[in-house]
Amino acid sequence: NAGVTQTPKFQVLKTGQSMTLQCAQDMNHNSMYWYRQDPGMGLRLIYYSASEGTTDKGEVPNGYNVSRLNKREFSLRLESAAPSQTSVYFCASSVQVNTEAFFGQGTRLTVV
Amino acid sequence: GENVGLHLPTLSVQEGDNSIINCAYSNSASDYFIWYKQESGKGPQFIIDIRSNMDKRQGQRVTVLLNKTVKHLSLQIAATQPGDSAVYFCAENYTPWDTGNQFYFGTGTSLTVIP
Repeated sequence: NAGVTQTPKFQVLKTGQSMTLQCAQDMNHNSMYWYRQDPGMGLRLIYYSASEGTTDKGEVPNGYNVSRLNKREFSLRLESAAPSQTSVYFCASSVQVNTEAFFGQGTRLTVV
Repeated sequence: GENVGLHLPTLSVQEGDNSIINCAYSNSASDYFIWYKQESGKGPQFIIDIRSNMDKRQGQRVTVLLNKTVKHLSLQIAATQPGDSAVYFCAENYTPWDTGNQFYFGTGTSLTVIP
């Protein structure tokens, strides 16, 4: 059982480069999320998709865009990476927005 | 216990002892709470949840207590084992005025079990 799968697991970018983080879930969940985790800050919500076809901003959306490609997939795009976006990124999914989330293994992103 | 924006609290316990991890949540309108466990290099994993109409909920070796009066949540782990070593997060669920319903995570408490 794969659950939530994120790619890539590690990435180093130069300032100004762009990239897309991919996420897919196989649990037929309606809601999907992107979080970032910084030391001493806990997890902060970047964007989420309550259901297929909708996306909404979370706590820290600036510098990011998302696409809910279909029910299974939710991608996060950094158009012009900045060192402040160095973080560990987690994708998660849940049956609906106010239920327990299942997390992927994370993507460790470094922007130099 | 957990604090927002400060260093990660730590807790060390002897194997076999009980552990208590505390969390002060921020919003009195929060109506659902979850405890997650995060092992090194992995994503958070659900442990137990509780709704605001309850003050206690028990699982296998874990108990969550909710005190809404002082906005406090605790996680009790019975007979702590080395496999319990991890960072533990509490998350509160509410709907802010400017965004949709979402969970807000605490900064976490690092639990180390001494064999």
